[in-house]
Amino acid sequence: QVHLQESGPGLVKPSQTLSLTCTVSGGSISSGNYYWHWIRQPAGKGLEWIGRVSTNGITFYNPSLKSRVTISRDTTSNQFSLKLSSVTAADTAVYYCARFDGYGDFDSWGQGTLVTVSS
Amino acid sequence: QTVVTQEPSFSVSPGGTVTLTCGLSSGSVSTTHYPSWYQQTPGQAPRTLIYNTKIRSSGVPDRFSGSILGNKGALTITGAQADDESAYYCVVYVGNGIWVFGGGTKVTVL
Repeated sequence: QVHLQESGPGLVKPSQTLSLTCTVSGGSISSGNYYWHWIRQPAGKGLEWIGRVSTNGITFYNPSLKSRVTISRDTTSNQFSLKLSSVTAADTAVYYCARFDGYGDFDSWGQGTLVTVSS
Repeated sequence: QTVVTQEPSFSVSPGGTVTLTCGLSSGSVSTTHYPSWYQQTPGQAPRTLIYNTKIRSSGVPDRFSGSILGNKGALTITGAQADDESAYYCVVYVGNGIWVFGGGTKVTVL
């Protein structure tokens, strides 16, 4: 059973860079027909897809965030990461990492981590 | 920018049937968009109900079913129960590696 866990600062100042890491256990991020995603949810609002990295390191991003987002992976640590630059209050949200199984299913999610952008 | 539309809210009586839909601003939803449906209760991560249009996730009751209805993806709850009261999100693949979530539908059972 794969397990995903987000970690990172819960408070980021405006204009700075938000950095989160997703640690994966029970499965390798560099093998299998899987893709590793970041998704966020502002309080009381819907889910927003941020982007993903594949097992071979290829990334795709939400066009509305693309200029500010970088997703990378560390296969040694079995982690993948999110960096979102130039943050504003609008980036305050619960951030989830999730595994996509290649058959159409975001089948495993982290518990989510709240990131607040505030001075 | 592609927008995925869902009804903001629905109310259903216990034992009743409700169909939620998932539309696409750029045209029709088809199986090539791999529409999937997730259930989310407050404070929890989303849980898969249906993926790839109509495949029910393991452990999901068969009162949940997925389909394409007209030009939209659809989630039908047949025989709604009190614990079906949740937010439901669809997500579709729009190509070029990009996924888009709908705004979610809040279902009330009363």
